[in-house]
Amino acid sequence: DTEVTQTPKHLVMGMTNKKSLKCEQHMGHRAMYWYKQKAKKPPELMFVYSYEKLSINESVPSRFSPECPNSSLLNLHLHALQPEDSALYLCASNRGPLAYEQYFGPGTRLTVT
Amino acid sequence: GQQVMQIPQYQHVQEGEDFTTYCNSSTTLSNIQWYKQRPGGHPVFLIQLVKSGEVKKQKRLTFQFGEAKKNSSLHITATQTTDVGTYFCASSTWAGTALIFGKGTTLSVSS
Repeated sequence: DTEVTQTPKHLVMGMTNKKSLKCEQHMGHRAMYWYKQKAKKPPELMFVYSYEKLSINESVPSRFSPECPNSSLLNLHLHALQPEDSALYLCASNRGPLAYEQYFGPGTRLTVT
Repeated sequence: GQQVMQIPQYQHVQEGEDFTTYCNSSTTLSNIQWYKQRPGGHPVFLIQLVKSGEVKKQKRLTFQFGEAKKNSSLHITATQTTDVGTYFCASSTWAGTALIFGKGTTLSVSS
């Protein structure tokens, strides 16, 4: 199984809502990532989990809260988002560290209204 | 900080023509990775280069890493409509703290 799955595929939320994005992989990878991608831009790294511990937080606002319940799962909790947070949120995993190729999930298309 | 510049931003070719995208850095890179993202899709890993002067081929795709490890290129021979998408180069920092993406080259192919 070389697949990273993400749910939901699409999400529309208001600025006062709380929602969560989910990511799962069963490749035995020990590093998992969240990226944000705006249209016609490259992915921007948000968080890195290595062996279930948060190792990198790229100065992401606290309205984004990551969680790694176990080595296969990664969540991104969203609260009080702004319209400019609308983007494609990509999850990725690899053997760790960043020097290894990453496997990306299909992403969650988030719209904040 | 480390930056990876990628050109061109857009390229349109006729099917059967060749295509090349280039990545350049002012600093020595530890490695270079290449990803392809189809329209509406997600990035898919193509290849990684780590050695100075390395050249790797995948069917019609040829990847090169410069001797000084400051530049890289992806060349597609005889493009097909299935090659459409955005090609990103990316490199991890020496400290392994981030993966820096180039801005990408979007390829369109007309038949």
